[in-house]
Amino acid sequence: QVQLQESGPGLVKPSGTLSLACAVSDGSFRSDNWWSWVRQPPGRGLEWIGEIFHNGNTNHNPSLERRVTISVDNPTNQFSLKLTSVTAADTAVYFCARRVPRYGHFDYWGPGTLVTVSS
Amino acid sequence: DIQMTQSPSSLSASVGDRVTITCRASQSITTYLNWYQQYPGKAPKLLIYAASTLQSGVPSRFSGSGSETDFTLSISSLQADDFATYYCQQSYTIPRTFGQGTKLEI
Repeated sequence: QVQLQESGPGLVKPSGTLSLACAVSDGSFRSDNWWSWVRQPPGRGLEWIGEIFHNGNTNHNPSLERRVTISVDNPTNQFSLKLTSVTAADTAVYFCARRVPRYGHFDYWGPGTLVTVSS
Repeated sequence: DIQMTQSPSSLSASVGDRVTITCRASQSITTYLNWYQQYPGKAPKLLIYAASTLQSGVPSRFSGSGSETDFTLSISSLQADDFATYYCQQSYTIPRTFGQGTKLEI
């Protein structure tokens, strides 16, 4: 059973950088899966942010691409998200998830972490 | 971007009812369509992938169908814990996009 867990500050100041990490519990980190970030503003729907493969290849949502960096740390089975120049519109619950490449579905999710952008 | 449009946005039903939720893609996505269930304050849970394949452990009262641009999620006999919000998601291309959600209420 794969487990994912997000971690990071729950409060970020406007114009600052949001930084989150996702720890993956098992050896599937180096398998043929992609590791993704998805966010959900309060009371709203889901938005895909981007994803990374264990070799460092990434895909991003073009709407966020200029502000997003996703990186991987294989020895610790973790991947990370950095989102720069944040505004109140970036306030959301941030989920990490595993994406299965064959059909592209997200089969395992972290519980999510709320990040609030406020001064 | 491929736009995913769900209907209805909300739906009232009773235990034992059969319900159907529709998801329409703005262009063909063949069968790269997935369905999720989400409770308030929780992460989404995968129900169906590739339009019609039931994820392991998901009750058989859930079923999915469709291809190209039109898809449906059906629940054959609603149970109390089915009252949640449902999302479709296309995995045909980047960016991966979700529908706006359908809230199923008692």
